[in-house]
Amino acid sequence: QKEVEQDPGPLSVPEGAIVSLNCTYSNSAFQYFMWYRQYSRKGPELLMYTYSSGNKEDGRFTAQVDKSSKYISLFIRDSQPSDSATYLCASFTSGTYKYIFGTGTRLKVLA
Amino acid sequence: DVKVTQSSRYLVKRTGEKVFLECVQDMDHENMFWYRQDPGLGLRLIYFSYDVKMKEKGDIPEGYSVSREKKERFSLILESASTNQTSMYLCASSSVPSYNSPLHFGNGTRLTVT
Repeated sequence: QKEVEQDPGPLSVPEGAIVSLNCTYSNSAFQYFMWYRQYSRKGPELLMYTYSSGNKEDGRFTAQVDKSSKYISLFIRDSQPSDSATYLCASFTSGTYKYIFGTGTRLKVLA
Repeated sequence: DVKVTQSSRYLVKRTGEKVFLECVQDMDHENMFWYRQDPGLGLRLIYFSYDVKMKEKGDIPEGYSVSREKKERFSLILESASTNQTSMYLCASSSVPSYNSPLHFGNGTRLTVT
């Protein structure tokens, strides 16, 4: 079982929709959670970074961590065609150098 | 903003060649990493370095070596390139593990070995 699992998609939504992207993880020691956005032929760009459980909001993006169910979510409100990209979730434990990534979900927002 | 710069966006090399991939970061980060990214396999860690001249093997170090002579620069070396090393290579950096140390990536080098 992979430590971080992510549905590869692709996920297609109409412009303006609310998008929900999800990951599950298996390691209870994970404390930090990240979401990256990766456009085609580019490196991953850090979108959101959260510690432990709870919500974090930044503009149209909300990251949510539920440690009891080991579930990580990224919500995108009012989705735009420019949000079309692959979204990667990742986790790590403080004091380690090991960042564990999901394989990414490809999102397509249709104009 | 953290800037991680990879010297080449695209490289084409022949089988058996020695290949150098260079990465520079401008945020005085202690840690630097090399990953490769392949469809369906995600990001796999090749090597990382937590200090100058220090290195640790990641999950797939075979066929690769690294060099970190200066804090800001981390090089990945393919000793004798093979076709199965055709991939997207991503360099990343982070500060000492703490609350505020996510990974920051460069734009990647797409290497093709023919």
